[in-house]
Amino acid sequence: EPEVTQTPSHQVTQMGQEVILRCVPISNHLYFYWYRQILGQKVEFLVSFYNNEISEKSEIFDDQFSVERPDGSNFTLKIRSTKLEDSAMYFCASSLTTGVYGYTFGSGTRLTVV
Amino acid sequence: DQQVKQNSPSLSVQEGRISILNCDYTNSMFDYFLWYKKYPAEGPTFLISISSIKDKNEDGRFTVFLNKSAKHLSLHIVPSQPGDSAVYFCAASLNNAGNMLTFGGGTRLMVKP
Repeated sequence: EPEVTQTPSHQVTQMGQEVILRCVPISNHLYFYWYRQILGQKVEFLVSFYNNEISEKSEIFDDQFSVERPDGSNFTLKIRSTKLEDSAMYFCASSLTTGVYGYTFGSGTRLTVV
Repeated sequence: DQQVKQNSPSLSVQEGRISILNCDYTNSMFDYFLWYKKYPAEGPTFLISISSIKDKNEDGRFTVFLNKSAKHLSLHIVPSQPGDSAVYFCAASLNNAGNMLTFGGGTRLMVKP
């Protein structure tokens, strides 16, 4: 079964450093998403991306965050200057069509900011 | 912001019995609801969904019930199996053409053999 692949599974970074989280969505999917889950809290929407531009973003997704689809296969989330409170599990997801039905999530990247 | 709430952080059930997981929401504009299952070190996996025009949707052992007037939905698993032990998330969307899911906090289900 096709899957969404995220790398690395765990990343530790120093506060203030830039970090890039990588995702390979399912190959024929057109819509891409990032969510995060801070330990003990809810899974929260960050951003959706379609046709090489952001289609929706939450209040969490401020100027420190950016997303990019640099080639035909990868979808990345960059955090420009990490803070301690950015420590969370980050999930990438993709879907073939618009709408929330048919999302496939990756296994996540655990980001630890020290 | 508590638009979707799962008030029971955990639930323990005997194998073969029914598991009932509950979810409440406050935003009456939500019109599509989903349940996800999550194992440790994996991402959420879609389980079952329901549109607000229905009050019940069934898929094998899993049934979701929606009570719009009470802004409440529930997931029934019958019969429960040890492999069902996982965290279950309720999620809602403003419309199925939108892209954003709003999640509840999750309920950890433990099915005992």
